[in-house]
Amino acid sequence: SQTIHQWPATLVQPVGSPLSLECTVEGTSNPNLYWYRQAAGRGLQLLFYSVGIGQISSEVPQNLSASRPQDRQFILSSKKLLLSDSGFYLCAWSRQGTYEQYFGPGTRLTVT
Amino acid sequence: QQQVKQSPQSLIVQKGGIPIINCAYENTAFDYFPWYQQFPGKGPALLIAIRPDVSEKKEGRFTISFNKSAKQFSLHIMDSQPGDSATYFCAASTQETSGSRLTFGEGTQLTVNP
Repeated sequence: SQTIHQWPATLVQPVGSPLSLECTVEGTSNPNLYWYRQAAGRGLQLLFYSVGIGQISSEVPQNLSASRPQDRQFILSSKKLLLSDSGFYLCAWSRQGTYEQYFGPGTRLTVT
Repeated sequence: QQQVKQSPQSLIVQKGGIPIINCAYENTAFDYFPWYQQFPGKGPALLIAIRPDVSEKKEGRFTISFNKSAKQFSLHIMDSQPGDSATYFCAASTQETSGSRLTFGEGTQLTVNP
């Protein structure tokens, strides 16, 4: 079966500090990978998606970037965090050519 | 801009009641409509999904009704239980060569009282 991991689970970072969130998927090959952000009490906003190693599409221009160094690894980064970057960050995966997306447990980021 | 509008924002029902959550979309290219259930502090879990070629789909106590002409779809939860208390999100997607990209509604916080 497939499993998706995210770490860390929670993170408190000062404004201006760098960020690196990691997502890995087990049990499947060549998945589509997605990063979403969820503000408190709100819906999910797609930030980035990837259909393969090194292939990243950005949905919303902002202070964040994504990379996919390995087939089942997706990383969300920032060089300098802003207060507005606080939120619940969710990674998701789907099989190529299918619609169903499956989410990880999320990372709660608080920028102080 | 692609949008999915969800209502109500919050909903309270008694155990055994049938909460109904509604969503409306604008983009007629959407061809996949899932519902997700999210508990506090957890990632959303895929609950049920429908394609526009059917008007209704049931899985256990959960039913999606779909009205293509009105560009609306809804989630019904039969015999609701306190354990169903969660936030529910509708979404819509097109299948593109670059992958499936979900557009989410704003969510409905459901409370089922014992």
